[in-house]
Amino acid sequence: EVQLVESGGGLVKPGGSLRLSCAASGFTFSTYDMNWVRQVPGKGLEWVSSISSGSHHIYYADSVRGRFTISRDNAKNSLYLQMNSLRAEDTAVYYCARAGGDFVDHRYWGQGTLVTVSS
Amino acid sequence: QSVLTQPPSVSGTPGQRVTISCSGSSSNIGSNYVYWYQQLPGTAPKLLICRSDERLSGVPDRFSGSKSGTSASLAINGLRSEDEADYYCAAWDDGLSGSVLFGGGTKLTVL
Repeated sequence: EVQLVESGGGLVKPGGSLRLSCAASGFTFSTYDMNWVRQVPGKGLEWVSSISSGSHHIYYADSVRGRFTISRDNAKNSLYLQMNSLRAEDTAVYYCARAGGDFVDHRYWGQGTLVTVSS
Repeated sequence: QSVLTQPPSVSGTPGQRVTISCSGSSSNIGSNYVYWYQQLPGTAPKLLICRSDERLSGVPDRFSGSKSGTSASLAINGLRSEDEADYYCAAWDDGLSGSVLFGGGTKLTVL
């Protein structure tokens, strides 16, 4: 069974940093592209970043480019999102999602972790 | 503001057919597949339709997707109360740096 478990969310002050993790199990992590998607409570979905299976291809939304860094450790079956220079508008539930055929195909999702940016 | 445009809400009565539209441009829907997600309250999204018109295993055949030009649609036949949810379209955008776009979402209400 595919399982994705996010962690690392919490309350952080504007300008601060946070590192999210996503622990994957139930599939061969190293062969799948992975994504981060966020959702402000009560609002729509916003794609944040994607990384290919071997980390050769990385993409970011304009809203986070230069502040967030996606990475993965295939030996540890883990996906990461380093978030720096956080802003109030980054407050959201952050989901990790495993891709299917391509980066838009978010076939499996974690339960999400809430990031709150507030002073 | 989403580049993929969906109606904020649609509604229907049990048994009816409803459609949710998703309008984009040549750089996204016009040249790439469309994906449809269902999000029930308090849960993570669930992929329903991939590659514009392929239903995922386990998704009722009441759900169908289609694409024409720079627009796509999700149709739900024989509406049921458990279909009440938020629905999102998504597509890759062939912009400068490439990106995944989500529509703004459509709230389906079963009356």
